[in-house]
Amino acid sequence: EDQVTQSPEALRLQEGESSSLNCSYTVSGLRGLFWYRQDPGKGPEFLFTLYSAGEEKEKERLKATLTKKESFLHITAPKPEDSATYLCAVQGTQGGSEKLVFGKGTKLTVNP
Amino acid sequence: GAGVSQSPRYKVTKRGQDVALRCDPISGHVSLYWYRQALGQGPEFLTYFNYEAQQDKSGLPNDRFSAERPEGSISTLTIQRTEQRDSAMYRCASSGGSRVWYFGPGTRLLVL
Repeated sequence: EDQVTQSPEALRLQEGESSSLNCSYTVSGLRGLFWYRQDPGKGPEFLFTLYSAGEEKEKERLKATLTKKESFLHITAPKPEDSATYLCAVQGTQGGSEKLVFGKGTKLTVNP
Repeated sequence: GAGVSQSPRYKVTKRGQDVALRCDPISGHVSLYWYRQALGQGPEFLTYFNYEAQQDKSGLPNDRFSAERPEGSISTLTIQRTEQRDSAMYRCASSGGSRVWYFGPGTRLLVL
């Protein structure tokens, strides 16, 4: 069964203090690893898709990396508007299903 | 065009009543997904459709839950004989084949 574990559950940073969020996964053949941002009261918003180990993607202050067992979301010089819950999800090859398996998320708070 | 929309946004019902939750995907999106999200958790897969065909319903908790998408556009998730444990946020997502899932704002269901 595909599984995703995210750590830490919550993270508080000062504005400008860089850090990383972790997503560990087990999957029967990785079709894709996805990062989403979720603001309170809203649906998840797509950030990145990573397909194979060694792949990296960047968007503004965010950079996602992937190994065979985990992914990191690096946040460089965060701003208060980066405060949100960040969700990681995997899509495996088992059964040919299109479903995503999500982790519980990391709640990020960036203080000014 | 507009994003994924869901209605109602909030639904309060009494235990034992049936409820129908509606999802209107992004125009032209072939795939439609239903997820359930408990507070502080990531979304949990329920079922998905390609066009009008239900491809995977492995995440539906029991036979009180059903979903349809008769014309390959709008979808309805129906919960019969609701129970208190059904209380959650129900989210719909759609995808146009780019392997990016766009989530709706969700329907908050409360069963009294």
